[in-house]
This record gives sequence, structure tokens and C-alpha cells, in this order.
Amino acid sequence: NAGVMQNPRHLVRRRGQEARLRCSPVKGHSHVYWYRQLPEEGLKFMVYLQKENIIDESGMPKERFSAEFPKEGPSILRIQQVVRGDSAAYFCASSPLTSGGTDNTDTQYFGPGTRLTVL
Amino acid sequence: GEDVEQSLFLSVREGDSSVINCTYTDSSSTYLYWYKQEPGAGLQLLTYIFSNMDMKQDQRLTVLLNKKDKHLSLRIADTQTGDSAIYFCADSWGGYSTLTFGKGTMLLVSP
Repeated sequence: NAGVMQNPRHLVRRRGQEARLRCSPVKGHSHVYWYRQLPEEGLKFMVYLQKENIIDESGMPKERFSAEFPKEGPSILRIQQVVRGDSAAYFCASSPLTSGGTDNTDTQYFGPGTRLTVL
Repeated sequence: GEDVEQSLFLSVREGDSSVINCTYTDSSSTYLYWYKQEPGAGLQLLTYIFSNMDMKQDQRLTVLLNKKDKHLSLRIADTQTGDSAIYFCADSWGGYSTLTFGKGTMLLVSP
């Protein structure tokens, strides 16, 4: 399967614990995006990363949340000291590169998501 | 800020056409997308349209874009029960591809 991989698919944490969500982009894609979907809501942008760089984290809460996309290995979204309001589906997407032109090489392909439940 | 709006629910009979509508506010949108989400699953890209186009057809799917009114629609011909899902409209803008999503339209297809 050459698509975006996310794991775990389901994650249960107690309040105050840490959650680590992993995303492996499509092979050859160097751009990763994280989105959060609250129940009965659309997806909200959180952060956009390229290898070893955070390009835009304007959608990410200032505290407890962090993201990385190292040179080797998957992208990680880390949530420290989780609270019940963090319960949501977290989706990762990848694209090959960005372009402002007419060739849509920046189409994002989504993974199956990680459903986080905080007890 | 940027906003994308969709009707929340649509019910059709199998074999009919479905039309899902979307409006957006950002006039600098470059691409507009339709994604499909089945229960418990991720988002599947259905189709997209570049902002200088007004129509795109792909098999049973037809996308219409009215840039003046900032209105996007997705028409599904010969709707099947397998088309039942939530359909999200999204746009991208700016120098890179951050997507802004609507809340999704739940399409229910009855036999």
C-alpha cells in the first residue's frame, strides 16, 4: 500500500497522559499536513511541515501540542497532558510539493486517521 | 477569516442525480476540492478544479464553479447506495496548499 499510513488507528489515553500519533507519507512526498476533526465538524488545519522544518503551525494550539517531520522516519504529532477536549480524529495528509501554478502537484492525499479518545 | 459553507444533509433515491453545493469566501482560492468520507474512514479525494475553470467532468462526477458568486457544486449522476457518505468541499489558497474545509454534507441514498 503506497498511500499515507497512520498509526495507531485508535488511541485511548487518560487525562494527563501523552499521545503520540505517527504518519508516514506517500513514498516520495516531502510535505506533510496535520488536521483535526472534532465530532460532526469538518477538518481543521493544524500544522504543515516539510522535512526537518515547520512551515506553518498557525492552526496548532500554543501549548501541549508539537509536531515534527525528521529527516528519517515518520512525522509525529505529540500531545502532552491530554484533556477530554483533545478527543478527535487526527488526519495526516501528504503532497509531493507545493506549487502556485496550474499543475496541481500539491494535491493532498489523506491517511485513514487516528481516533484519539481521552478518558 | 476564510470560510467554506455547505448544506448539511441531502437525501436522494438510487438512480437520481445528487447535487451538493458549497460556497467559499476567499477570492484568492487556487484549487477547490471534493473529498468523500465513509464512516470511520479517512478522506478520499474525488476530484478538484482549478479556479480558472468553470466545469470539470470525471465519469459520474461533474464539478461546476461560479467564481463570481464563489459557488462550487458537485453533481453525481445515477447515484448509487455506495455513494452514501459525507462529502467535503475544501479550498486551497496562498503560496502553499493548506486546505480549508466545510463541515461536510451527508448524502443518504435510499433504494
